[in-house]
Amino acid sequence: GNSVTQMEGPVTLSEEAFLTINCTYTATGYPSLFWYVQYPGEGLQLLLKATKADDKGSNKGFEATYRKETTSFHLEKGSVQVSDSAVYFCALSDPFSNTGKLIFGQGTTLQVKP
Amino acid sequence: EAGVTQFPSHSVIEKGQTVTLRCDPISGHDNLYWYRRVMGKEIKFLLHFVKESKQDESGMPNNRFLAERTGGTYSTLKVQPAELEDSGVYFCASSPFEGRTNTGELFFGEGSRLTVL
Repeated sequence: GNSVTQMEGPVTLSEEAFLTINCTYTATGYPSLFWYVQYPGEGLQLLLKATKADDKGSNKGFEATYRKETTSFHLEKGSVQVSDSAVYFCALSDPFSNTGKLIFGQGTTLQVKP
Repeated sequence: EAGVTQFPSHSVIEKGQTVTLRCDPISGHDNLYWYRRVMGKEIKFLLHFVKESKQDESGMPNNRFLAERTGGTYSTLKVQPAELEDSGVYFCASSPFEGRTNTGELFFGEGSRLTVL
């Protein structure tokens, strides 16, 4: 079945460090891919998305590229800030469903220290 | 515009008791979803409403869970009787109906944390 695997956390970085959070997926067909973020005390919110192979999603300095050949959608940011501390979830939409249902990874906690 | 709101934010109950979680989606959103995250694991799909109809309830764990969406507005998720393994964070999300290609963004609430002792 469809699934998403994220790198284990927590990830602890110093401010201005480079961030990579790995995400790989298993899916039949061509899903859309998403990164959601949950800041402390808030609900999940969409960070970025990509709907087809080689698309690059970007927002707030974060970016991720839909790599069909490696079934990956790694999240990157060149210089993290303390305010980026949050839990990051990689997700895919079921390509054979028109319900908008998402399949999530387990989440990766990022802590950025000043 | 108000976002998705969930109530209560945290509920602590004893095994065997009943809890009802409520979700108010964004006004006008026909799609409403319930998800659950248990002990830092992945967020798992529970069910999906389109208006008042259950479109997909394949993720509901067992018949102790009952979801309703009367009138196609707010939704409730009742757990009766609660068991220890039901502890977790229950998220509600909504989105506008987009016909056959519902691949858009979901708008999530802050979640309801359930602790069963």
